[in-house]
Amino acid sequence: GQQLNQSPQSMFIQEGEDVSMNCTSSSIFNTWLWYKQDPGEGPVLLIALYKAGELTSNGRLTAQFGITRKDSFLNISASIPSDVGIYFCAGQNYGGSQGNLIFGKGTKLSVKP
Amino acid sequence: NAGVTQTPKFRVLKTGQSMTLLCAQDMNHEYMYWYRQDPGMGLRLIHYSVGEGTTAKGEVPDGYNVSRLKKQNFLLGLESAAPSQTSVYFCASSTRSGTLRGYTFGSGTRLTVV
Repeated sequence: GQQLNQSPQSMFIQEGEDVSMNCTSSSIFNTWLWYKQDPGEGPVLLIALYKAGELTSNGRLTAQFGITRKDSFLNISASIPSDVGIYFCAGQNYGGSQGNLIFGKGTKLSVKP
Repeated sequence: NAGVTQTPKFRVLKTGQSMTLLCAQDMNHEYMYWYRQDPGMGLRLIHYSVGEGTTAKGEVPDGYNVSRLKKQNFLLGLESAAPSQTSVYFCASSTRSGTLRGYTFGSGTRLTVV
């Protein structure tokens, strides 16, 4: 089946630093989504991308849909302590398995004040 | 809006016991999903439903059963719990295409089987 490789698995950074994480796949997707999971909570959608090459921002977050449709990255600028959590990428194809999302294994972000 | 509500939030079971996890959504979503989350494994799909009265297997369905008798509810059952089913379980729902806003997740049920 389709799989997503998400990296890095974990990051330990200083407050104020920029963060970059990415997801790659052996197959193409029509949609890329980025979720954040706070400790003890369910994942919450951060950014959705629908077109190859699309670059979308949400505050300090920026995500891009790779031109090959096989990858996506998420950048966080000027990190703050509340950015702590697990970030998941997810890819989706219309029509396959009723459009089920395929999730990466997550990037765990820790921020030192 | 409540969104997706999961009950209970925590549960401890003995091996061999049964239980049902309840998921309720108030967004009139057609699709509902059950995932389990284990350290280093990400989110793995157990079962899903594309409408009332229909269910389908996901990636890791063994040991679980589901039912979708009402559009707003999706139940996950464990008939004979095993320690390997210790995990955090998440329910999610989406519109028919699920594309516009992705999935909406509940806050999870932490299950420990001893």
